[in-house]
Amino acid sequence: DAGVTQSPTHLIKTRGQHVTLRCSPISGHKSVSWYQQVLGQGPQFIFQYYEKEERGRGNFPDRFSARQFPNYSSELNVNALLLGDSALYLCASSLVSGDGYTFGSGTRLTVV
Amino acid sequence: AQKVTQAQTEISVVEKEDVTLDCVYETRDTTYYLFWYKQPPSGELVFLIRRNSFDEQNEISGRYSWNFQKSTSSFNFTITASQVVDSAVYFCALSAPIYNQGGKLIFGQGTELSVKP
Repeated sequence: DAGVTQSPTHLIKTRGQHVTLRCSPISGHKSVSWYQQVLGQGPQFIFQYYEKEERGRGNFPDRFSARQFPNYSSELNVNALLLGDSALYLCASSLVSGDGYTFGSGTRLTVV
Repeated sequence: AQKVTQAQTEISVVEKEDVTLDCVYETRDTTYYLFWYKQPPSGELVFLIRRNSFDEQNEISGRYSWNFQKSTSSFNFTITASQVVDSAVYFCALSAPIYNQGGKLIFGQGTELSVKP
């Protein structure tokens, strides 16, 4: 069975641009969460979606948005990119909200 | 508020040594889960263990063992007879209750373990 897949694996963007990151959960998993991991720190919670509804949002500006599709895949969008948005973005899926989480390999975003 | 503290930023050991990674957490909730994840250089967080707040039994899985003590709010991780392949960053995490943002994970800062041959 495929694990959590994220695309792209690496991305370089310019300040002010927009970026879309994608995540496909494990088959059968209905919950997807997004985390930002800045170099040298632990992951920080951004969003959680379950059954296409937002169930949680971390302390991130409105430039960050996300959605979950009927097939339970998810997109994370970031507008007006700042240098500080450079990080590893991790997606995690679980059967239901609050269950054990399986993480993908992440998307490494560099903003220049 | 929930918080996880991993006081050890970096640990370096020689192969075959035992090593313990410390984790202290704070929460006012009576029901919660504690996790340990391993992050190799590839970046993926690899699940190691999940422990329910009501289950204080220690657990052993091969060379790995975990010591959960609610009295001291600690959930320490020991690797016995360490190997070079154990080199990675290890994260301890606490899950908030499901009514708190869907049960988000709160991570510690991580401990970078380096096992030298």
